[in-house]
Amino acid sequence: KQEVTQIPAALSVPEGENLVLNCSFTDSAIYNLQWFRQDPGKGLTSLLLIQSSQREQTSGRLNASLDKSSGRSTLYIAASQPGDSATYLCAATGGRSGNTGKLIFGQGTTLQVKP
Amino acid sequence: DAGVIQSPRHEVTEMGQEVTLRCKPISGHNSLFWYRQTMMRGLELLIYFNNNVPIDDSGMPEDRFSAKMPNASFSTLKIQPSEPRDSAVYFCASTWTTQGRELFFGEGSRLTVL
Repeated sequence: KQEVTQIPAALSVPEGENLVLNCSFTDSAIYNLQWFRQDPGKGLTSLLLIQSSQREQTSGRLNASLDKSSGRSTLYIAASQPGDSATYLCAATGGRSGNTGKLIFGQGTTLQVKP
Repeated sequence: DAGVIQSPRHEVTEMGQEVTLRCKPISGHNSLFWYRQTMMRGLELLIYFNNNVPIDDSGMPEDRFSAKMPNASFSTLKIQPSEPRDSAVYFCASTWTTQGRELFFGEGSRLTVL
């Protein structure tokens, strides 16, 4: 059974700092891993999708990496801005359900970027 | 492009009443998921459909919950009778099973059962 853990639960940084959010998963036979952003009272916005055959994906100031052997993914945010303040969720497919898109979510990391 | 559309956005009802939440997936997507989000339990998968067929409903908490997908562009999640512990935000999401499977979420339906 796939389990996803995110550490830390909350993070506060000054504007301009580079930061890393961590995600770990128990079943390394994943199909893909996805990072989302959730603003208060809103739905989830997909940030990056990493297929199991990939090591990383980049979009603007965001870079996500995937290491299946260690069961870890990181989301790197460069030059953080107050607008980056949100909850970031990591989700992975379980190996046995990987081909269905069934995602298991971590509890999220709530990021606050102070001006 | 229209994203996943959910209605109602907010619902307040009394215990024992029937609640119906609606979802329109992104056109062309063939998988649809219903999730529930609470502070205590985070995001939980309730049920998902592939090509309108329910595949896994092991996350549905009780028989009071039911979901249908009569066609590729519409799904409902029904709670009957509703209870205060059902209060949560219910999200619908959709994807293509043949193209990377990136999951796209709706804005959610916030349910409060008094």
